[in-house]
Amino acid sequence: RKEVEQDPGPFNVPEGATVAFNCTYSNSASQSFFWYRQDCRKEPKLLMSVYSSGNEDGRFTAQLNRASQYISLLIRDSKLSDSATYLCVVTRISGGSYIPTFGRGTSLIVHP
Amino acid sequence: DAGITQSPRHKVTETGTPVTLRCHQTENHRYMYWYRQDPGHGLRLIHYSYGVKDTDKGEVSDGYSVSRSKTEDFLLTLESATSSQTSVYFCAISEGQGQPQHFGDGTRLSIL
Repeated sequence: RKEVEQDPGPFNVPEGATVAFNCTYSNSASQSFFWYRQDCRKEPKLLMSVYSSGNEDGRFTAQLNRASQYISLLIRDSKLSDSATYLCVVTRISGGSYIPTFGRGTSLIVHP
Repeated sequence: DAGITQSPRHKVTETGTPVTLRCHQTENHRYMYWYRQDPGHGLRLIHYSYGVKDTDKGEVSDGYSVSRSKTEDFLLTLESATSSQTSVYFCAISEGQGQPQHFGDGTRLSIL
C-alpha cells in the first residue's frame, strides 16, 4: 500500500457543483496534513492546512479522520478557476525529523 | 509569495555532465527541501535540510547530493547526470517542522 493515496480523477464537474476528494494515508503516526493546488506547469501552492477538528476557508472545507486514516477536501459552488490538480500532503516523524509525503494528486476540471 | 528563487529555470545538458541547481530564499526559514516531479509519480523528496550543514536523504536520493553552507542557499548537485534524472525540480522552504511548505517556481531539467 502506498504511503499516501489519491484518486487521480479527473473529476469533471459543472460550475456551481460541490465536489469532494479523499486522501488516504498508511502511517497512523502521521502528524501534519495539508492540501495544495497545482496548476499546469506551475509550482504547488498551499490551499489549506487540515486540523483535527476540521476547518473551513470560504468555499473549501478540510477534514481529518484519524480513525480511518484519511483527509478530505470539499469544494462548494465550484468555479472555473478551481480547475487544477489537488495534492494532499501527510507528514510523519522519522528519526526525529518530519518527513512530508505528497499524494500524486487529483485532477479537477470545472466546465461551464 | 514566499521569497524563493530557483536557478536556472531551464537547463538542457548531456548525460555524464555535472549539474548544480540552486535554491535561494530570503525568508530565513530553517528547513529547505528538494523534490522532483514526474508524471505518474507526483512529487518525491530528494534531500532536505534542517539547518546550515545539516542535511538528510529523502525517498529518491541516489545520484544526488546537496549542500547548505548558508541559511539562504540550498544546492542540489547531480554529479554525473543520467537521462532518468530528466524532471522538474522544485525547492521548498518551511518555517518549522510539520509546517506548510512554500515552493519555488521549479527548474525544468532535460538530460539528453
